[in-house]
Amino acid sequence: GENVEQHPSTLSVQEGDSAVIKCTYSDSASNYFPWYKQELGKGPQLIIDIRSNVGEKKDQRIAVTLNKTAKHFSLHITETQPEDSAVYFCAASTNTGNQFYFGTGTSLTVIP
Amino acid sequence: GAGVSQSPRYKVAKRGQDVALRCDPISGHVSLFWYQQALGQGPEFLTYFQNEAQLDKSGLPSDRFFAERPEGSVSTLKIQRTQQEDSAVYLCASSLFRATGVTYEQYFGPGTRLTVT
Repeated sequence: GENVEQHPSTLSVQEGDSAVIKCTYSDSASNYFPWYKQELGKGPQLIIDIRSNVGEKKDQRIAVTLNKTAKHFSLHITETQPEDSAVYFCAASTNTGNQFYFGTGTSLTVIP
Repeated sequence: GAGVSQSPRYKVAKRGQDVALRCDPISGHVSLFWYQQALGQGPEFLTYFQNEAQLDKSGLPSDRFFAERPEGSVSTLKIQRTQQEDSAVYLCASSLFRATGVTYEQYFGPGTRLTVT
């Protein structure tokens, strides 16, 4: 099955700086890659996703890049704010499977 | 509109007890998923429904775990004879539809935190 690895496990940045979280996947058939933000005591919230037919997608301060050849994708958060502090999960899925395969999460702390 | 809701939010069970966890998906969402999230880990797939049909239960860890969605809307995850290793957050997600060749976004509920003592 698919194996998703995520790095780093913890990340601290100063407010206003950028944060980058990286994930790799193993199944070349994976073609959908969502990113979720999970705050303490809450369920994962979808923040952005990318499909394999594009290499980059942006939504305000958040962007995701995908390199299918290398089988890795990254989340970029610019101009970080304290409210960005949370655990972020990447995931991968194929169009023939029924499940998302999640990374182990990155705990992001934005220091005011 | 309303999101995915789950109840109870917290459940404490003594080892050996049976528990039932409820999920109300987003209205109109055909697909429903259950995941288990251990402390400090990402969610792990348990089972998947399309309407009332359970199409994939490959992630259920043992025959003590059972899920149903009899009318294609609300779903219940039941765990029989709970063990300490069942302690985790159980997440439900729903998706608009799954068609061949397209993966749709999954929207998660807040989860039920199960503690087995």
